[in-house]
Amino acid sequence: GQQLNQSPQSMFIQEGEDVSMNCTSSSIFNTWLWYKQDPGEGPVLLIALYKAGELTSNGRLTAQFGITRKDSFLNISASIPSDVGIYFCAGQLNGNTPLVFGKGTRLSVIA
Amino acid sequence: DAMVIQNPRYQVTQFGKPVTLSCSQTLNHNVMYWYQQKSSQAPKLLFHYYDKDFNNEADTPDNFQSRRPNTSFCFLDIRSPGLGDAAMYLCATSRDLDGRKGAYNEQFFGPGTRLTVL
Repeated sequence: GQQLNQSPQSMFIQEGEDVSMNCTSSSIFNTWLWYKQDPGEGPVLLIALYKAGELTSNGRLTAQFGITRKDSFLNISASIPSDVGIYFCAGQLNGNTPLVFGKGTRLSVIA
Repeated sequence: DAMVIQNPRYQVTQFGKPVTLSCSQTLNHNVMYWYQQKSSQAPKLLFHYYDKDFNNEADTPDNFQSRRPNTSFCFLDIRSPGLGDAAMYLCATSRDLDGRKGAYNEQFFGPGTRLTVL
């Protein structure tokens, strides 16, 4: 089945630093979503992308839908302690197919 | 606030003893999903309902069943839980935007139920 390669698997950064993570796929997706999951909670939708090349921001978060439709990245600027968690990318081929999740990026922020 | 609610948040059951997890939503979304998430892994889709139409993933064990009595509620039944079924179970919803079974995206997740099997 389809798989998403999400990297890095984990990262440790200093508070205030910028963060970048990405997802790549061997096949095309027509929708990309980014979720954040805190320990013991469900994933929370951060950003949804629907068009190739689209760049969307949500506060300190910015995500882009790659022009090839096979990748997406998420940037977090000026990280703060509450950014700690696991970030998942998810892709969808078309409206009738389920989401395919990446394996997640575990972010740790050192104050 | 509109939301996805899961009860209970923590469930302990015995090996082989049937257990039911519940999910309710106030979003009035027509699609509801059940995912299984094991530690340090991505959510794995078990099945979903499009309105009353049930869609099972090919690799979902028969041990897992689901019911959706109305738009707001959906249940996950595990008929004979094994130790390997211990996991976080996540319910999610989405709204079909164009009425043609499209737009299975922008899924909103509940807080999850953590299942322990003794």
